[in-house]
Amino acid sequence: DAGVTQSPTHLIKTRGQQVTLRCSPKSGHDTVSWYQQALGQGPQFIFQYYEEEERQRGNFPDRFSGHQFPNYSSELNVNALLLGDSALYLCASSPGDSRLDYGYTFGSGTRLTVV
Amino acid sequence: GDSVTQMEGPVTLSEEACLTINCTYTATGYPSLFWYVQYPGEGLQLLLKATKADDKGSNKGFEATYRKETTSFHLEKGSVQVSDSAVYFCALLSGGSYIPTFGRGTSLIVHP
Repeated sequence: DAGVTQSPTHLIKTRGQQVTLRCSPKSGHDTVSWYQQALGQGPQFIFQYYEEEERQRGNFPDRFSGHQFPNYSSELNVNALLLGDSALYLCASSPGDSRLDYGYTFGSGTRLTVV
Repeated sequence: GDSVTQMEGPVTLSEEACLTINCTYTATGYPSLFWYVQYPGEGLQLLLKATKADDKGSNKGFEATYRKETTSFHLEKGSVQVSDSAVYFCALLSGGSYIPTFGRGTSLIVHP
């Protein structure tokens, strides 16, 4: 049974460009959360999608947006990239109306480098 | 607001040594507490958790006890292995919230 799949694994973008990251949740999971992990830091919550809507959002600017599709997969979009957006972006999926402690599965992440 | 403070790393140990990674927290109410582990090139994996004061979480030889009086949740293992080398994150989740708060992580390096 495949876990959480993220693509691409690595990405290099130029400042000012736009990027789209993709996530396929674990089979049976319908909730997707996105996190940003800067080098040497803990993961920071960006937002969570449930039933194709953004359910909750962390302290990130509007340049960060997302989408969830009917098959529960999700995209994270970042516009007007800044050097400070360079980080590992993690996707986590979970079943139904659950919190961190119930069934969260993390993907291996997408390493984004902005030059 | 909620916050988690972990000891600075890296922590470097020889195989079979004892491990303690300190974690203290600030939160309103009574949060649930967690330790996550991140192996190189991988995502986070839940290692153990505790949901109320004096609870002890344990898994794979690791233990942590929820100490409300000292607002701490220190991670311990009696005998570490080379395969335990990873980054360990302490985290909390306040009641009714979907937004977890993570510490900065502590890197553990175990030498043969």
